[in-house]
Amino acid sequence: GQNIDQPTEMTATEGAIVQINCTYQTSGFNGLFWYQQHAGEAPTFLSYNVLDGLEEKGRFSSFLSRSKGYSYLLLKELQMKDSASYLCAVKSWGATNKLIFGTGTLLAVQP
Amino acid sequence: DAGVTQSPTHLIKTRGQHVTLRCSPISGHKSVSWYQQVLGQGPQFIFQYYEKEERGRGNFPDRFSARQFPNYSSELNVNALLLGDSALYLCASSLERLAGGSNTGELFFGEGSRLTVL
Repeated sequence: GQNIDQPTEMTATEGAIVQINCTYQTSGFNGLFWYQQHAGEAPTFLSYNVLDGLEEKGRFSSFLSRSKGYSYLLLKELQMKDSASYLCAVKSWGATNKLIFGTGTLLAVQP
Repeated sequence: DAGVTQSPTHLIKTRGQHVTLRCSPISGHKSVSWYQQVLGQGPQFIFQYYEKEERGRGNFPDRFSARQFPNYSSELNVNALLLGDSALYLCASSLERLAGGSNTGELFFGEGSRLTVL
């Protein structure tokens, strides 16, 4: 089966750095996505990792270790607008382009 | 350019009724997927359609059905509504990820249709 675990909630301070972890178990791994979702809005794409290593995109970076079934999303220079739910999602090989999502990590950025 | 559009944005139904939700993908995207998101949870896969063919189905009862039209828009139908069907229904479109291709196959989500079943 497939299973994705991430913390339910996290709190961080404006201007700080926060790391959101995600562990997964899946057959036929074919990429890991991070999405951001503000309350009442659609998820928006943040990053994609299919090979081991770090992908950096501005204030956001995402890391993947396939052997450990582990990823993290790193947010630097936190801003109040970063308060949102962060969804880790895994894609498996196959004809279906479906993503298996974790429950999401609700990040609260405090002044 | 227009993103993924869904209608209606909000609707209220009673148990036993049926509902039809509609989705228009981003221009050029031939794949449409439907997800159900219950409050406090991540989205759960319901269906994927590509070129009007069903590519995959999640663990949902037969009360859930969908189809894709020649213009790649899609409908999700839910019959005999239950209280537990109350959720945000998200439609997502994507380019198929080709082997060796540069696109990631990422999903572009619409704003969703929030269904409340009373």
